[in-house]
Amino acid sequence: NAGVTQTPKFQVLKTGQSMTLQCAQDMNHEYMSWYRQDPGMGLRLIHYSVGAGITDQGEVPNGYNVSRSTTEDFPLRLLSAAPSQTSVYFCASRKGTGGGQPQHFGDGTRLSIL
Amino acid sequence: GDSVTQMEGPVTLSEEAFLTINCTYTATGYPSLFWYVQYPGEGLQLLLKATKADDKGSNKGFEATYRKETTSFHLEKGSVQVSDSAVYFCALGNFGNEKLTFGTGTRLTIIP
Repeated sequence: NAGVTQTPKFQVLKTGQSMTLQCAQDMNHEYMSWYRQDPGMGLRLIHYSVGAGITDQGEVPNGYNVSRSTTEDFPLRLLSAAPSQTSVYFCASRKGTGGGQPQHFGDGTRLSIL
Repeated sequence: GDSVTQMEGPVTLSEEAFLTINCTYTATGYPSLFWYVQYPGEGLQLLLKATKADDKGSNKGFEATYRKETTSFHLEKGSVQVSDSAVYFCALGNFGNEKLTFGTGTRLTIIP
């Protein structure tokens, strides 16, 4: 059981480039989300989805786009990379909706924007 | 809104020492509380959880009790090992709020 799989693990981009961070889960979880982790700030929610075809914004959505065409996949798109988006990105999934259940995290994508 | 305040790090302890990492929260209603652990180069793993007042979560020798009267969920372990070196996050989940609210994390280093 792979759980939550993120690709790539590392990426370096130039300012202005676009890219897609991939996330897939094989647990048939309804809820999926993207967080970014920055030193001293914990994890902050970027976007989330409560099911296929449904997405919503989190705390820090600017500069990012998401879609959810299947239950399994939840890609995160950087439209025009900026140095402020240098961070570690985590995808997470959870069974059901509502905040009471724990989330399962991928191993992260370490992204550097030059 | 919901918030989590976590003990500032880093924390350095000797092997077999007693560990406490403080966590307090602010939330409406009846949130669920979690401790996650992040080992170097890895994602977050759920360490333990508690879903209602006075619940005690436990795993791998770690414990935390959901104290509604003091709005706290402190993490404790009686005898730490070098392998416990990691970053620990306290987090809160609340019905009607789809996100997890995280503390800033506490880096723990155990020296032999």
